[in-house]
Amino acid sequence: ETGVTQSPTHLIKTRGQQVTLRCSSQSGHNTVSWYQQALGQGPQFIFQYYREEENGRGNFPPRFSGLQFPNYSSELNVNALELDDSALYLCASSLDPGNQPQHFGDGTRLSIL
Amino acid sequence: GESVGLHLPTLSVQEGDNSIINCAYSNSASDYFIWYKQESGKGPQFIIDIRSNMDKRQGQRVTVLLNKTVKHLSLQIAATQPGDSAVYFCAETLGRNQGGKLIFGQGTELSVKP
Repeated sequence: ETGVTQSPTHLIKTRGQQVTLRCSSQSGHNTVSWYQQALGQGPQFIFQYYREEENGRGNFPPRFSGLQFPNYSSELNVNALELDDSALYLCASSLDPGNQPQHFGDGTRLSIL
Repeated sequence: GESVGLHLPTLSVQEGDNSIINCAYSNSASDYFIWYKQESGKGPQFIIDIRSNMDKRQGQRVTVLLNKTVKHLSLQIAATQPGDSAVYFCAETLGRNQGGKLIFGQGTELSVKP
């Protein structure tokens, strides 16, 4: 059984640029959630996708957007990057949006210069 | 408001001892709770979960206790090993009602001394 995989593992961008992060969900999982984790903090919920539709969203501005594809993989897009966007971006998949464990990938470390 | 807090930011234990990591949650409507372990450079790893209709759940070397009266969650690790050294997070969720949102605490760093 393949776990959650994310790419790239590390990325360096400059302010104002745009970035796309990718996530492949665990086999059999139809729900993907994205989180932002600042250094020394717990992950913060960005949004969740279920069967290609956004199922919930946290307190992040509209320049954070996402997609889920028919194979349940997902993308996180961030426009107009700011210095504060530097963080570890985590993707988690689960069997469904209900009370099921969310299983995480190892994240993409995004640095904004 | 929404918050999940941890009473102890750091915990140092001797190898072989039992560890207890505590967590307070603020939303009495939360119905599902998860403990995660995060090692340096890795994503959170699922340890154990518990639903609000349960008070206790046991796994391999780990036990989670839920006290809904005082909104408190704890993770007990038996016979702690050096490989248990990591940051531990508790997380709560309202499930579908909140768009599957997991609310994480700040984390507790567990250090196991050989």
